[in-house]
Amino acid sequence: AQSVTQLDSHVSVSEGTPVLLRCNYSSSYSPSLFWYVQHPNKGLQLLLKYTSAATLVKGINGFEAEFKKSETSFHLTKPSAHMSDAAEYFCVVSDLMRSGNTGKLIFGQGTTLQVKP
Amino acid sequence: NAGVMQNPRHLVRRRGQEARLRCSPMKGHSHVYWYRQLPEEGLKFMVYLQKENIIDESGMPKERFSAEFPKEGPSILRIQQVVRGDSAAYFCASSPPNGGNPYNEQFFGPGTRLTVL
Repeated sequence: AQSVTQLDSHVSVSEGTPVLLRCNYSSSYSPSLFWYVQHPNKGLQLLLKYTSAATLVKGINGFEAEFKKSETSFHLTKPSAHMSDAAEYFCVVSDLMRSGNTGKLIFGQGTTLQVKP
Repeated sequence: NAGVMQNPRHLVRRRGQEARLRCSPMKGHSHVYWYRQLPEEGLKFMVYLQKENIIDESGMPKERFSAEFPKEGPSILRIQQVVRGDSAAYFCASSPPNGGNPYNEQFFGPGTRLTVL
């Protein structure tokens, strides 16, 4: 079965410093992977997606993620944190690529990013 | 193109009452997914529907919960005889037919926050 593990429940960085949010996945085939962001009491916004075209994926707001099959990881990074980046981040895998599955998204537990001034 | 719309945004019910949550997918999208987010947790898949059909309801509680997506009108998630444990944020997501979305990117609504007193 597919699963996603976000290795940190909380990450705190200072404004202007790099951000690293870690995610490991479990899948028996090539997955589709996503990062979503959720600001307090808001819906979810797609940051970026991995769809096997390129292992380094660039997203919105300066975020990017690298798919590493050998490590089964899809960590999210940003060179310089901004105060507005403070939010909840979810690493997500889709099971659509497997025959017979219906494409539901499987979410990690989330990482709360705190950005200090 | 309007995004996914959900209403109401906030819903308060007393134990034993019924809750009806509505979701209008993006224009051109024929697939609807419902997810539930309990406090301090990630989103959990509930049900996947296409027009007039339930495709996957493996995440739905066995009792009191039902969902529909009629030919005309929004998708409805219905919770009968609500209990305090139903308090959560309920998110709807939509996607176009699979041929136009091979990696199953889903677009989320703002959610309905249900509070059961």
